[in-house]
Amino acid sequence: DAGVIQSPRHEVTEMGQEVTLRCKPISGHDYLFWYRQTMMRGLELLIYFNNNVPIDDSGMPEDRFSAKMPNASFSTLKIQPSEPRDSAVYFCASRAAGGGTEAFFGQGTRLTVV
Amino acid sequence: AQSVTQLGSHVSVSEGALVLLRCNYSSSVPPYLFWYVQYPNQGLQLLLKYTSAATLVKGINGFEAEFKKSETSFHLTKPSAHMSDAAEYFCAVSDAGNNRKLIWGLGTSLAVNP
Repeated sequence: DAGVIQSPRHEVTEMGQEVTLRCKPISGHDYLFWYRQTMMRGLELLIYFNNNVPIDDSGMPEDRFSAKMPNASFSTLKIQPSEPRDSAVYFCASRAAGGGTEAFFGQGTRLTVV
Repeated sequence: AQSVTQLGSHVSVSEGALVLLRCNYSSSVPPYLFWYVQYPNQGLQLLLKYTSAATLVKGINGFEAEFKKSETSFHLTKPSAHMSDAAEYFCAVSDAGNNRKLIWGLGTSLAVNP
């Protein structure tokens, strides 16, 4: 398996524009997580899915953020409209069922909103 | 509820010296514990994990960690630091609830001086 694949790796957009981040989890993993990492706040869990169903979105900062998982092999995180304070690295991770299983992370998307 | 505390946001060692990164956890049930490493501009990568088997866990790149229930600790060590070990290190505990998300520490940045 190629691991967790995220696209794009880098995104620069203007304030007010819509941004869509994409993630392909490892095949067979039941859980998918979206994280945001910044210098100020560290690693924050935004939302996670179990078997394509959103379980906990309490980390989503505002209604401008939304995430979907239409099938087991694809998820998106959308920001509309984007703001400069959304600039961060966004990670997707997937994990198999079982408490002792580890999460596998993608390489991240570095988002810059100008 | 589970929580993770990493003592020392920045640790600096000399090349060849012992590396000790501290992690304490709180959990109402036997925990699953993880150490991850993040190199610059990369995603998080699993170093090692504890899943209630041996209390001394060996990981990649010469790292190991010892689970000490009485101290609620899972400190990460390496006998001899290498320049390539400079990175951010994260400790995490698996949520014992049915949701299976990971609870993360704030990270420790390791600098290795020549």
